[in-house]
Amino acid sequence: IAGITQAPTSQILAAGRRMTLRCTQDMRHNAMYWYRQDLGLGLRLIHYSNTAGTTGKGEVPDGYSVSRANTDDFPLTLASAVPSQTSVYFCASSPGQGAYNEQFFGPGTRLTVL
Amino acid sequence: GENVEQHPSTLSVQEGDSAVIKCTYSDSASNYFPWYKQELGKRPQLIIDIRSNVGEKKDQRIAVTLNKTAKHFSLHITETQPEDSAVYFCAASMGGSTLGRLYFGRGTQLTVWP
Repeated sequence: IAGITQAPTSQILAAGRRMTLRCTQDMRHNAMYWYRQDLGLGLRLIHYSNTAGTTGKGEVPDGYSVSRANTDDFPLTLASAVPSQTSVYFCASSPGQGAYNEQFFGPGTRLTVL
Repeated sequence: GENVEQHPSTLSVQEGDSAVIKCTYSDSASNYFPWYKQELGKRPQLIIDIRSNVGEKKDQRIAVTLNKTAKHFSLHITETQPEDSAVYFCAASMGGSTLGRLYFGRGTQLTVWP
């Protein structure tokens, strides 16, 4: 693995189903983030983690949960998917807890909820 | 929280012309302002950033200016080329804080016509 990866690349999901989007980085970055990208709305922060064992809510956290059991992995779970969660999801990481650090983005997961 | 507004939402220029994208922010505590470029179907990537102790920063054909008093910053691209066509996002953050969260503008779709 080199950098930051996400899985799956794309997914079609029935409403009401549970889904976990995976994110893994091998850069030993402390901070990790989940964004959703919708046309005309830019990138909106869902949840973040400044270091392993801690998480926080972003701008649009409802319907999503995260965990950070170790430095490398930051999965995003949709407990019961709804059509409004159709979006492209990007995971990102940055070296330090503070800013001034470039955020590196994963390739994204395109999720469609029917 | 911070609110970042970005204009215009779309911008079309002829190859060789200059392009300017403007952003404003609301929180005077913000002091780190990165710009990301996202090509179609790809992940966002950092192209340039500026800290509040600097008024201007250049990197070849790209420059960013910052006016802290007015709380606005701009991206300038000179001698545009077709490969500059992409969506550009500005962002703001409180650099050095324990949060390191980026607040993004809604993006500008730049099209450079040959």
